Amino acid sequence: AQTVTQSQPEMSVQEAETVTLSCTYDTSESDYYLFWYKQPPSRQMILVIRQEAYKQQNATENRFSVNFQKAAKSFSLKISDSQLGDAAMYFCAYRSPSTQGGSEKLVFGKGTKLTVNP
Amino acid sequence: EPEVTQTPSHQVTQMGQEVILRCVPISNHLYFYWYRQILGQKVEFLVSFYNNEISEKSEIFDDQFSVERPDGSNFTLKIRSTKLEDSAMYFCASRPTVYQETQYFGPGTRLLVL
Repeated sequence: AQTVTQSQPEMSVQEAETVTLSCTYDTSESDYYLFWYKQPPSRQMILVIRQEAYKQQNATENRFSVNFQKAAKSFSLKISDSQLGDAAMYFCAYRSPSTQGGSEKLVFGKGTKLTVNP
Repeated sequence: EPEVTQTPSHQVTQMGQEVILRCVPISNHLYFYWYRQILGQKVEFLVSFYNNEISEKSEIFDDQFSVERPDGSNFTLKIRSTKLEDSAMYFCASRPTVYQETQYFGPGTRLLVL
């Protein structure tokens, strides 16, 4: 079974600075998908960024980027120019490749609580 | 932009009572999911649903749980006889097609069992 590990329960960053959140995973599959979800105090899960394992290029979404190291099974999230609104729980998630009728459930890590200091 | 909606946002119930949590997935999405998050813990998969049947369920999803898509728009999670340990945030999610990877989550229902 796949597992996802987030080794940093809490992180803090100064506004406008850069922070990196770590995520490692364990799988025997060669093709899969990785996600970072944000959960602000409102508790809704919001997709931040996703990465397809077959793509070597790291995904980027505005101030958010990932460092995907497939051999090391590492998928870290970098937030540049941190803003107060970035404060939230961040969850790393793994998903197996798609199959017709398959569930493709998400397997989540325990999360990292990010605090942004003004 | 279309969103997954869930009702109610909060529900308090007595142990042993039945509860039904409702979700309206994004229109035209084909894959539906329920997850739960016990306070302070990680999000856990409960069940996935496709083509009007369960495609996968976790160990948590025992005989006390059931899911239904009664009318083509709603997707419900029923807990027949709630236990104290069922207290959690329950998230519904939907995904468009087999070729699209992202699951879109609803805002969640906070269930408290007393």
